[in-house]
Amino acid sequence: ETGVTQSPTHLIKTRGQQVTLRCSSQSGHNTVSWYQQALGQGPQFIFQYYREEENGRGNFPPRFSGLQFPNYSSELNVNALELDDSALYLCASSLGDEQYFGPGTRLTVT
Amino acid sequence: AQSVTQLDSQVPVFEEAPVELRCNYSSSVSVYLFWYVQYPNQGLQLLLKYLSGSTLVESINGFEAEFNKSQTSFHLRKPSVHISDTAEYFCAAGGYQKVTFGTGTKLQVIP
Repeated sequence: ETGVTQSPTHLIKTRGQQVTLRCSSQSGHNTVSWYQQALGQGPQFIFQYYREEENGRGNFPPRFSGLQFPNYSSELNVNALELDDSALYLCASSLGDEQYFGPGTRLTVT
Repeated sequence: AQSVTQLDSQVPVFEEAPVELRCNYSSSVSVYLFWYVQYPNQGLQLLLKYLSGSTLVESINGFEAEFNKSQTSFHLRKPSVHISDTAEYFCAAGGYQKVTFGTGTKLQVIP
């Protein structure tokens, strides 16, 4: 059984650009959540997808969007990048009450 | 709405000494409570969780946490820490959907 994987590991983008982050869920997990963890902070909930539908959203602007595919893998898209978007982005898959986190993608916006 | 407060941002402790990491939560509904550990440059790993039943929950590596409803607390304790316990610990509250995290406590174990 493979765990949650994320790609890329690190990414550097310029302000105003767009970025796509990817997440492969743990086998059999139909729910994926995305979190933003700024330096020195706890993870902040961005949104959750359940069976390809958005199933809850945190306090993030619409330029943060996502997709979940039939195989339950997922993407996080961020448009019009801002310097404050620099953070570790974590995805977590679940099949019930326990979330399993991936190692994260470190995004740096310059 | 729910919130999680971790009162200590850093906790230094000598090896083999006991430690307590404090966590308080507020919620208008019943929640599940979690402790996660994050090692440098890694993602979060679930340490233990409280869903229902016994208010004392334990992890496989010697940590325990007690759910106290009257004090809305879920403090994490270990009777004797090891160097390998050096990490950042996050308390979290939530249900099947959104999970709210605290700001984290960095545990530094001193040899």
